[in-house]
Amino acid sequence: DGGITQSPKYLFRKEGQNVTLSCEQNLNHDAMYWYRQDPGQGLRLIYYSQIVNDFQKGDIAEGYSVSREKKESFPLTVTSAQKNPTAFYLCASSETPQKLFFGSGTQLSVL
Amino acid sequence: QKEVEQDPGPLSVPEGAIVSLNCTYSNSAFQYFMWYRQYSRKGPELLMYTYSSGNKEDGRFTAQVDKSSKYISLFIRDSQPSDSATYLCAMVSNDYKLSFGAGTTVTVRA
Repeated sequence: DGGITQSPKYLFRKEGQNVTLSCEQNLNHDAMYWYRQDPGQGLRLIYYSQIVNDFQKGDIAEGYSVSREKKESFPLTVTSAQKNPTAFYLCASSETPQKLFFGSGTQLSVL
Repeated sequence: QKEVEQDPGPLSVPEGAIVSLNCTYSNSAFQYFMWYRQYSRKGPELLMYTYSSGNKEDGRFTAQVDKSSKYISLFIRDSQPSDSATYLCAMVSNDYKLSFGAGTTVTVRA
């Protein structure tokens, strides 16, 4: 089955720690995205990539980093510089911006 | 001011009622208008998308776009408890910028 796989489903971060969220897709889509979702605030774009080895900052990139070494993979690292990381993180991919396919999300919490 | 405004609700209706959801926007460059459905702690899934103004129907769902008023709507007829979810509107501009509304939480009571 084609789709997007995010892991882990739940993640806990300690003070000063970097954590990495995984996102893999087998839809052969060029574009991939990372969104952060907080209650009542909808989806906010962190980073996006339209092609391998290239990515752009979204609206809230500070404290996050990404890589795009393979078409199928777009991992997100939440660094210690992100002081309020608790949120639901969603990865998506698409052929066109009108049709995003989302993963099932990762809930990140701070210990 | 946000580019896309959506009332977060919550909205509670009895089973069988019509659910009416809407968004307003300020960017006249938006060309594509989408509705996503998101169940609790899951990723959103695309319900419908329309290009420019007009209506589009898919089963119990109808999407309407009025570009002159910068207003879009989603109607759900004969609502079911399984329709209980958060509904997000989204829009794409002619330079392919994507913007989401905050989402409206809907509960359909059996």
